[in-house]
Amino acid sequence: DAKTTQPTSMDCAEGRAANLPCNHSTISGNEYVYWYRQIHSQGPQYIIHGLKNNETNEMASLIITEDRKSSTLILPHATLRDTAVYYCIVRVAVGNYGQNFVFGPGTRLSVLP
Amino acid sequence: ETGVTQTPRHLVMGMTNKKSLKCEQHLGHNAMYWYKQSAKKPLELMFVYNFKEQTENNSVPSRFSPECPNSSHLFLHLHTLQPEDSALYLCASSQGLAPISYNEQFFGPGTRLTVL
Repeated sequence: DAKTTQPTSMDCAEGRAANLPCNHSTISGNEYVYWYRQIHSQGPQYIIHGLKNNETNEMASLIITEDRKSSTLILPHATLRDTAVYYCIVRVAVGNYGQNFVFGPGTRLSVLP
Repeated sequence: ETGVTQTPRHLVMGMTNKKSLKCEQHLGHNAMYWYKQSAKKPLELMFVYNFKEQTENNSVPSRFSPECPNSSHLFLHLHTLQPEDSALYLCASSQGLAPISYNEQFFGPGTRLTVL
């Protein structure tokens, strides 16, 4: 089972910031938070990841609360091409090599003109 | 373009057919993955390979048979599939399985499989 909970869907007006929340209340100290997105019928695309500090790259910003139990992905100026399903993932360990990601249902973000 | 290619992009097969899906990564990565995405379901990890060795098999039926001849290529051989196996099959690669900084997975575009 996924270790995160996200809203099923969200709308955002084009040009405005999209703030996507994620709860991961059982996250352990050495687990990272990853965000991926999947545009319809394409493979998932990596967006950003973080451990404790807030992170920013050319695509988005990631804000992690001090207790690390939740995070928010921010797309500063959403465009129509940002319409996708956004997955918040906490790295889990499986066996001795654990590197797989458990993808939950994600948040379907619709950017509206 | 993510550096991970998959062929074919679409495949229709009967339940008695044998077919293979191919994945190739041009990123110099050492780990490769097969995922299955059924309609309206989250991605499900199927297999993990690291340095050509299978490290994870998530209880996948034997009608799916992976093959990893080298770190750049990954195959999924299919035989006697069922209609419920119809799904988008995604391949991914990452630089390695550890340390954490190598976690980023690059996904291919997927193969849309329909089993009649």
